[in-house]
Amino acid sequence: DGGITQSPKYLFRKEGQNVTLSCEQNLNHDAMYWYRQDPGQGLRLIYYSQIVNDFQKGDIAEGYSVSREKKESFPLTVTSAQKNPTAFYLCASSAQQGRGEKLFFGSGTQLSVL
Amino acid sequence: EDKVVQSPLSLVVHEGDTVTLNCSYEVTNFRSLLWYKQEKKAPTFLFMLTSSGIEKKSGRLSSILDKKELFSILNITATQTGDSAIYLCAKQGAQKLVFGQGTRLTINP
Repeated sequence: DGGITQSPKYLFRKEGQNVTLSCEQNLNHDAMYWYRQDPGQGLRLIYYSQIVNDFQKGDIAEGYSVSREKKESFPLTVTSAQKNPTAFYLCASSAQQGRGEKLFFGSGTQLSVL
Repeated sequence: EDKVVQSPLSLVVHEGDTVTLNCSYEVTNFRSLLWYKQEKKAPTFLFMLTSSGIEKKSGRLSSILDKKELFSILNITATQTGDSAIYLCAKQGAQKLVFGQGTRLTINP
């Protein structure tokens, strides 16, 4: 079955630690996205990538980093510079940039700080 | 800053009631307005609106766009407990999809 897989479902971060959230898709999509969701704030864009080896900052990129070495993978690292990382993180993909109606979402990762 | 504002942020109604959810947006770089339903984890697509005054309908859900006044509404008639969810509105620009805060809808039996 085609889709997007995020792992882990739940993740705990200690003070000063970097953690990496995984996002894999087998839909052959070019564009991939990372969103952060806080209660009452909807989804905010962290990073997005249109093609392999290229990515752009979204609205809240500070304290996060990404890589896009393979088409199917777009991991997100939450660095120690992100002082308030507790949130629900959603990965998404689409065949083309700018086609929100064709966006596929993963099931998310809930990140909490210990 | 690109903004999408939804209201109300939270709504609690009884089964069978009709609800209207609101979404306003800024005109810059507008391509389309989208609605999603988020029940547990992954949002699912409901409607895409590009033209003013043309209602999109799916069962008990319908939505319309007003490009002059820069807003959209999502209507749900004869609500059921399964309609309980967060409803997200988003503005599609050339490159980015900008989401509103969401409306948390709770349907009580």
